Amino acid sequence: DGGITQSPKYLFRKEGQNVTLSCEQNLNHDAMYWYRQDPGQGLRLIYYSQIVNDFQKGDIAEGYSVSREKKESFPLTVTSAQKNPTAFYLCASSRGSDSYEQYFGPGTRLTVT
Amino acid sequence: LAKTTQPISMDSYEGQEVNITCSHNNIATNDYITWYQQFPSQGPRFIIQGYKTKVTNEVASLFIPADRKSSTLSLPRVSLSDTAVYYCLVGGPSGSARQLTFGSGTQLTVLP
Repeated sequence: DGGITQSPKYLFRKEGQNVTLSCEQNLNHDAMYWYRQDPGQGLRLIYYSQIVNDFQKGDIAEGYSVSREKKESFPLTVTSAQKNPTAFYLCASSRGSDSYEQYFGPGTRLTVT
Repeated sequence: LAKTTQPISMDSYEGQEVNITCSHNNIATNDYITWYQQFPSQGPRFIIQGYKTKVTNEVASLFIPADRKSSTLSLPRVSLSDTAVYYCLVGGPSGSARQLTFGSGTQLTVLP
């Protein structure tokens, strides 16, 4: 089955630690995205990548980093510089960055204490 | 970016048709209108997209008036499983993902 996977589903970390969230897709999509969602809120774009070895900051990139070494993988690192890291993180992909049909993964719920 | 305004919440009963309207007064010429559905603790799912007039697929219809300053998502004969948050997005085909902005959405609750 083609799709987009994120792991783990739940993640707990101590404050001050960096943590990396995994996102993999086998849809052969060029573009990939990371969003953050807080309770009762919409999604906010963290980073996106239109092609391998290229990525751009979204609206709330501070305290996050990404890499795109392979087409199918787009990991997100939440660094200790992110002031409020506890949130629901969603990864998505699309055929191209101008496609409005984005396919979302199941999400990772990160809790930092 | 074209800002969108949607009702915060709506209630309906099973079997009824539901219409959710979105305002986007500053929509640009190249902008498309896209709707997503999201269930709790899941990623959003694409429902429908349109540019003008009417678009219909197997799950919904999208009505866009001539001035394109608003759009209406129509869900025919809703069921309990349609209870979800619905997002209206407006964005242009510039090649930039920054053009897609998810607002707070509309919480639709379908009652038995």
